[in-house]
Amino acid sequence: DQQVKQNSPSLSVQEGRISILNCDYTNSMFDYFLWYKKYPAEGPTFLISISSIKDKNEDGRFTVFLNKSAKHLSLHIVPSQPGDSAVYFCAASRGGSQGNLIFGKGTKLSVKP
Amino acid sequence: SQTIHQWPATLVQPVGSPLSLECTVEGTSNPNLYWYRQAAGRGLQLLFYSVGIGQISSEVPQNLSASRPQDRQFILSSKKLLLSDSGFYLCAWSTPGLAKYEQYFGPGTRLTVT
Repeated sequence: DQQVKQNSPSLSVQEGRISILNCDYTNSMFDYFLWYKKYPAEGPTFLISISSIKDKNEDGRFTVFLNKSAKHLSLHIVPSQPGDSAVYFCAASRGGSQGNLIFGKGTKLSVKP
Repeated sequence: SQTIHQWPATLVQPVGSPLSLECTVEGTSNPNLYWYRQAAGRGLQLLFYSVGIGQISSEVPQNLSASRPQDRQFILSSKKLLLSDSGFYLCAWSTPGLAKYEQYFGPGTRLTVT
């Protein structure tokens, strides 16, 4: 059973426009959500996170929105740049001392010049 | 600052051979440590995690094992590799108790079992 779902395997966006990456989850016990960016043959890089007590967190060009009632979060990238082309993973945590994360399968973003 | 190292970067091993992948973290003490695998076209699957020396928890039954002989060293092993063990193996660390849960990943090891 997939608890964190990224239903779009790929997304193509024009440079300068907004990229919106979506993520749905099923477990209402998740209390912290994260987005990671991954280039081929490299480890994922932490991008931005949000606690379940918030509905928005912003860091430069990246904004994460959380809709708890819909069990949905999204990552907005504005403006999109060619260097943003990568696979983006959504992850969720139920808390606890071990800090385990459950990852979605990822969305491949392509930003075209 | 904290850094995480993994080696080797790539590995090609025959079926039935043993495996040892190593991960070390610098610049932090008593981190939580994790091993993930990313199979082709799939997400990140948590294999093992450790909250301290000698403390290993397995998330999925498999042909692999993990050990943590030192505070900042995490080792992934197998006695006999299977074809299905091929994939991209990632080590990660986090700081326990911060309630932020960010994990920081190493560069990964590409394992091909032939």
